[in-house]
Amino acid sequence: NAGVMQNPRHLVRRRGQEARLRCSPMKGHSHVYWYRQLPEEGLKFMVYLQKENIIDESGMPKERFSAEFPKEGPSILRIQQVVRGDSAAYFCASSRGDAEKLFFGSGTQLSVL
Amino acid sequence: ELKVEQNPLFLSMQEGKNYTIYCNYSTTSDRLYWYRQDPGKSLESLFVLLSNGAVKQEGRLMASLDTKARLSTLHITAAVHDLSATYFCAVDAGMRFGAGTRLTVKP
Repeated sequence: NAGVMQNPRHLVRRRGQEARLRCSPMKGHSHVYWYRQLPEEGLKFMVYLQKENIIDESGMPKERFSAEFPKEGPSILRIQQVVRGDSAAYFCASSRGDAEKLFFGSGTQLSVL
Repeated sequence: ELKVEQNPLFLSMQEGKNYTIYCNYSTTSDRLYWYRQDPGKSLESLFVLLSNGAVKQEGRLMASLDTKARLSTLHITAAVHDLSATYFCAVDAGMRFGAGTRLTVKP
């Protein structure tokens, strides 16, 4: 049973470009969470999705950031017009249900030049 | 706004010693989770505490939950170097994480 798969592992973008981060949850998991982590810091909640629905996006910046979890395919975290401050590790986690333990992907390290 | 506070944030301890990490949270929650993160790695689940008074133990780590006090503890017994990592607690109210406790165990 494959774990949570995130790709790419490393993503380099220039300021103003778009970044797309992908997350395939574990088989049988319909809940996906996205977190952001800066070096030496904790995990900052961004968004919680179930299939085709955004449940909680209170941690997402109002502009430039969006997330989706379509019926088919991976969850996507999209960052438009990236700025240097977007550089961070972005972790995706999945669970079978609400309030169940999370299984984390390996993360995507986004670097904005 | 839900707050999840861990202390200490940094902990340096000698091998063989005992210590406790604390996790306080600000809202009603029946479940609490502990995760471990090694440097440059992702997070792994350690414990899931499902109710008031729950206690889980694995090896040198023991976690407990007091939902009335909104407090969980992670107790380390006779620390060894392999326990060096960052430990996070998370509350099921939106899966919010504490800032993490970076543990370094020295010989």
